Amino acid sequence: QVQLVQSGAEVKKPGASVKVSCKASGHTFTGYYMHWVRQAPGEGLEWMGWINTNTGGANYAQKFQGRVTMTRDTSIDTAYMELSRLRSDDTAVYYCARDNGYIPYWGQGTLVTVSS
Amino acid sequence: DIQMTQSPSTLSASVGDRVTITCRASQSISRWLAWYQQKPGKAPKLLIYEASSLESGVPSRFSGSGSGTELTLTISSLQPDDFAIYYCQQYNTYPYTFGQGTKLEIK
Repeated sequence: QVQLVQSGAEVKKPGASVKVSCKASGHTFTGYYMHWVRQAPGEGLEWMGWINTNTGGANYAQKFQGRVTMTRDTSIDTAYMELSRLRSDDTAVYYCARDNGYIPYWGQGTLVTVSS
Repeated sequence: DIQMTQSPSTLSASVGDRVTITCRASQSISRWLAWYQQKPGKAPKLLIYEASSLESGVPSRFSGSGSGTELTLTISSLQPDDFAIYYCQQYNTYPYTFGQGTKLEIK
C-alpha cells in the first residue's frame, strides 16, 4: 500500500531554515508529483507547491516563492521541502501528499515550530 | 488564484441527520473538486474526487454533486464518526486552493 513517512518534529529559531523529508513506498516514486501542504495551528490547509519527482521541476505557490525549495532523491524515493528565513507564522504541520490531481495519500505530517 | 468559500463554517447536527456543505469557487472549476475529512491530529482523508466520485472505502452515505462554481458534499445520515472538519479543494488551476473548512459538530 502507498505510504508516505515524514521526518520528525523540528524546533527552529526565526531566520533559520528547515528541511522536511518524505519517504515514499508502495508506488513508483517517479510516477507521481508530490505536493506539500501546510496547516498552522487551528487553521486550514494551505498548498505550498509540488515537485515533479521524475524531472525535479517544481511549481511553488507565489506566497512561498524565494523561500521554499522542493527537491527529491530518486535513489531513495524521498522528497524534501526546505523553507528558509523562517518566521513565527511558519509554525505549522507540514504534509507531503501524493498527487492524482486530487490527493489520495498524505504523510503523517511534520510539526515545525519557529520560536526564539 | 481561485478562492474557495465553504458554507457554513460550523454546522451543528445530530446522529441520523442529513447535512449538506457547499463550496463556492470564485471562477468555474468544472468538476475538478475534492472533499476531505480531517480529525484532530490527523492528516486529511480523501472522501470525494472529481466532484462526485467516491474514494474507495468511503461509506456510501457521503456524496458529492455540482459543477462550475457551486459544489456540494452531502452526508445522508450522520454517524458518530462523521463529526470532524471538512475541506473542499479545487485542482482545476494552480495554485491548488482549499476552502476554509466546515466544522461539523454534535448538536
